[in-house]
Amino acid sequence: KQEVTQIPAALSVPEGENLVLNCSFTDSAIYNLQWFRQDPGKGLTSLLLIQSSQREQTSGRLNASLDKSSGRSTLYIAASQPGDSATYLCAVETSGSRLTFGEGTQLTVNP
Amino acid sequence: DGGITQSPKYLFRKEGQNVTLSCEQNLNHDAMYWYRQDPGQGLRLIYYSQIVNDFQKGDIAEGYSVSREKKESFPLTVTSAQKNPTAFYLCATGQGTDTQYFGPGTRLTVL
Repeated sequence: KQEVTQIPAALSVPEGENLVLNCSFTDSAIYNLQWFRQDPGKGLTSLLLIQSSQREQTSGRLNASLDKSSGRSTLYIAASQPGDSATYLCAVETSGSRLTFGEGTQLTVNP
Repeated sequence: DGGITQSPKYLFRKEGQNVTLSCEQNLNHDAMYWYRQDPGQGLRLIYYSQIVNDFQKGDIAEGYSVSREKKESFPLTVTSAQKNPTAFYLCATGQGTDTQYFGPGTRLTVL
């Protein structure tokens, strides 16, 4: 059974700092890995999707990498801003278009 | 959010009652999903449907039921058999290898 783990569970940083969120998964037979953002009491917003054949994806200040063989992904956020404060969720897609989620990293960026 | 609506936003249930959560989409996506989120945790898959008139159990289907009579609609019923239904419920849609799109969620509380 696929298991997804995210470290750290919570992170508090000063504005402007670069930061890295980590995600690991137990079964490397995945179709893709996705990073989502969730604001309190809201639904999820997709940030980046990395296909299993890809190594990384970039969108603005966000960069996500994937090392399928080691079962790891990182989300790099450059020059963090208070508006980046949210919970970040990692998910892997396996057969049947099913997503397995990690428990998330709660990020606080302090002005 | 976008083309996915969930209603109601808040729902209160007395013990022993069945309640139905609505999910409607205008994205013309074939696949629809229901997830449950407990505080501080990631999402867990309840049921999913990849085509009209067909659906499959997810990881935590016990105490829940769904129907998919129309492409646009995928209602979730929380039955009295679900012993701990208090949670945040999220509906999502997907098409092919694209990411999943999430609705704003319904918060269910048992009184």
